[in-house]
Amino acid sequence: AQSVAQPEDQVNVAEGNPLTVKCTYSVSGNPYLFWYVQYPNRGLQFLLKYITGDNLVKGSYGFEAEFNKSQTSFHLKKPSALVSDSALYFCAVRDGLKSNYQLIWGAGTKLIIKP
Amino acid sequence: NAGVTQTPKFRILKIGQSMTLQCTQDMNHNYMYWYRQDPGMGLKLIYYSVGAGITDKGEVPNGYNVSRSTTEDFPLRLELAAPSQTSVYFCASSYPPPANMNTEAFFGQGTRLTVV
Repeated sequence: AQSVAQPEDQVNVAEGNPLTVKCTYSVSGNPYLFWYVQYPNRGLQFLLKYITGDNLVKGSYGFEAEFNKSQTSFHLKKPSALVSDSALYFCAVRDGLKSNYQLIWGAGTKLIIKP
Repeated sequence: NAGVTQTPKFRILKIGQSMTLQCTQDMNHNYMYWYRQDPGMGLKLIYYSVGAGITDKGEVPNGYNVSRSTTEDFPLRLELAAPSQTSVYFCASSYPPPANMNTEAFFGQGTRLTVV
């Protein structure tokens, strides 16, 4: 069955330090992977995606993510965290073998950046 | 740019009441979606539409109905509200489907619904 796991409910990072938000997935076919960010009382905003090609994907606001097929992971990273990065982050996957339009979502990880 | 607009932002319903959550987009997207977000959970797809006049069930459609008479509008109807429908509802749109090249879903700001 398709699934997405974000193993950490919350990640705390000091401003200026690198950050990682973890995501692992399970699909039958090739995965289409996404990261979205949600600020308080706002809708979700697209950050980046992996469809095919280079395993390292760069996205908005200096974020990047690395697709690792052997570990079925798609961790979100940023070299130097900002306080303004504090938000809720969601990983999502679509199974390339499925013909429907459903994205399977992780439960979200709350990222807190402390000054 | 307006993007995806949802109304209302907040609503309290009594059990058994009905209401319609409105969603409109001005990006001429063919695809539209309704999700619900429960605390500590990812988004669950309620219904989606691939174009005017075409709708289909998602993962959790029970208790909801939708219509798509125009490209711009995709209202979600709750006929008999139940406490289990207390949630935050998000409308989204995309063109083409969210997993295709160079596309992603655009989300509205959400509707926080409480059923008491």
